[in-house]
Amino acid sequence: KQEVTQIPAALSVPEGENLVLNCSFTDSAIYNLQWFRQDPGKGLTSLLLIQSSQREQTSGRLNASLDKSSGRSTLYIAASQPGDSATYLCAVEETSGSRLTFGEGTQLTVNP
Amino acid sequence: GAVVSQHPSWVICKSGTSVKIECRSLDFQATTMFWYRQFPKQSLMLMATSNEGSKATYEQGVEKDKFLINHASLTLSTLTVTSAHPEDSSFYICSATAGPYEQYFGPGTRLTVT
Repeated sequence: KQEVTQIPAALSVPEGENLVLNCSFTDSAIYNLQWFRQDPGKGLTSLLLIQSSQREQTSGRLNASLDKSSGRSTLYIAASQPGDSATYLCAVEETSGSRLTFGEGTQLTVNP
Repeated sequence: GAVVSQHPSWVICKSGTSVKIECRSLDFQATTMFWYRQFPKQSLMLMATSNEGSKATYEQGVEKDKFLINHASLTLSTLTVTSAHPEDSSFYICSATAGPYEQYFGPGTRLTVT
């Protein structure tokens, strides 16, 4: 059974700092991995999707890497801003069109 | 990008009553829809997978007679919580996919059972 773990559970940083969120998964046979953002009481916003054949994806200040063989992914946020404060979830999809298995999330607070 | 809507966004119901939540794919045909549940400060847990025109597949521990799922068309799936109890209070989120593509998530429905 696939298990997804995210470290740290919570993170508080001053504005402008670069930061890394970590995600690990137990079964490396995945189809893709996705990072989401969730604001309190809201739904999910997809940030980056990395196919299993890819090593990284970038969007603006965000960069996600994937090391499938070791079962790890990182989300790098450059020059953090207070508006980045949210919970960040990673999820893996094991086969095309199948369920997503989510981690517990990292709650990020960026202080002005 | 593809849009998935949910209705209602927020509902309060009395214990023992039933409530229906709709999930619609607005600009694509969803062959598969997923229903997730999220308790406060916890992650999303899959409840069931529904394919258009067939019975939903429920995850272990999810009561299929309590959480009725109907996927009658390629753009609509409904989740009915029957005989709701306070412990059913949660955030319910659906997602939809058109096959080997990205899943698109709805905005969620917050259910409070009093």
